[in-house]
Amino acid sequence: GQNIDQPTEMTATEGAIVQINCTYQTSGFNGLFWYQQHAGEAPTFLSYNVLDGLEEKGRFSSFLSRSKGYSYLLLKELQMKDSASYLCAVMDSNYQLIWGAGTKLIIKP
Amino acid sequence: NAGVTQTPKFRVLKTGQSMTLLCAQDMNHEYMYWYRQDPGMGLRLIHYSVGEGTTAKGEVPDGYNVSRLKKQNFLLGLESAAPSQTSVYFCASSYSSSGGKNTGELFFGEGSRLTVL
Repeated sequence: GQNIDQPTEMTATEGAIVQINCTYQTSGFNGLFWYQQHAGEAPTFLSYNVLDGLEEKGRFSSFLSRSKGYSYLLLKELQMKDSASYLCAVMDSNYQLIWGAGTKLIIKP
Repeated sequence: NAGVTQTPKFRVLKTGQSMTLLCAQDMNHEYMYWYRQDPGMGLRLIHYSVGEGTTAKGEVPDGYNVSRLKKQNFLLGLESAAPSQTSVYFCASSYSSSGGKNTGELFFGEGSRLTVL
């Protein structure tokens, strides 16, 4: 079966760094995506990894290890507006997205 | 640029009633999707379309029907609503790469909150 695991909830402090992990087992692999979803809003695209390594985009970075079926999203210099759910998704061999349940990130002052 | 627009945004139904959710996108995207999102369960794919006139079942298609008569519109119908269909419904669209494959970068509508009593 296909499965994506990520922690249900994490708490971090404003100004700090937090790493959100995602592990996956899917039928084929055509890329891993991270989306951000604020409460009551729609998900928005954050990042895409298809090759091993780190992709950096401002305060956010995403890492992928295909051999380990593992990714993480790294958020630096946390701001209160980063409080949201972060969704990990993998594109399988049929080019369909398989979604994790999301990690709710709580930022405390 | 409106992006992806869903209507209605809120709806309350009684068990057994029918309704249609409308999704419209103005980005000329090939792919369109209907998801439902329930607490603790993430996004679950109901139906999707890879182009005008084509639809396919997703993970949880039972109790729903879809149509894509025009490229920009994707309709989701509930034939006989049940309390288990109380959820937030998201429409999304995505475009093809130069190789014709789904890029996976989804653009979502604001969501439609449906309550079935």
